[in-house]
Amino acid sequence: DADVTQTPRNRITKTGKRIMLECSQTKGHDRMYWYRQDPGLGLQLIYYSFDVKDINKGEISDGYSVSRQAQAKFSLSLESAIPNQTALYFCATSQGPETQYFGPGTRLLVL
Amino acid sequence: RKEVEQDPGPFNVPEGATVAFNCTYSNSASQSFFWYRQDCRKEPKLLMSVYSSGNEDGRFTAQLNRASQYISLLIRDSKLSDSATYLCVVGSGSARQLTFGSGTQLTVLP
Repeated sequence: DADVTQTPRNRITKTGKRIMLECSQTKGHDRMYWYRQDPGLGLQLIYYSFDVKDINKGEISDGYSVSRQAQAKFSLSLESAIPNQTALYFCATSQGPETQYFGPGTRLLVL
Repeated sequence: RKEVEQDPGPFNVPEGATVAFNCTYSNSASQSFFWYRQDCRKEPKLLMSVYSSGNEDGRFTAQLNRASQYISLLIRDSKLSDSATYLCVVGSGSARQLTFGSGTQLTVLP
């Protein structure tokens, strides 16, 4: 089984809908992250969490919210989806500040 | 100016060739440096960390020049399986947040 899983893997939604992307990890890492990737751009950090009670905004948090339900679970919500949120979303984990391990990604299309 | 800049390529090289990628970063206080590999629209995976003294892992050699804020990756004896996008990644700040370059695309041709 994969150490970092994301659900759903693909999602099509309409403008204005609320959606949630979920991430689970079995690595026992304290730190979890949400990134988005757009063609021709690097990964951009949306939110990160160093433990269950610690949530921090990344460089592009507007329009997104997160919930750290447990050490192993970190969810990303789009409260009211808009087309420019169409992207590939990655969850990642790390133990400490070094190597991050990524999930397989969620492809989101907002119509 | 982007915090981490890479030549996007694409680099198309024959099998067996040596290819080098460069990367520059803008934050002089950056503390950690990596190369990640990303296959077509899959998740990034760590290829290697980059240390000040330079380091090698098989056919891959990474160099860091802090004075010039420059990182490089050299791939020798390219294999078809090396075809991927290579991401230059820099860690900065007390939380060592990672900043990713947009990647350099490599295609190794038979």
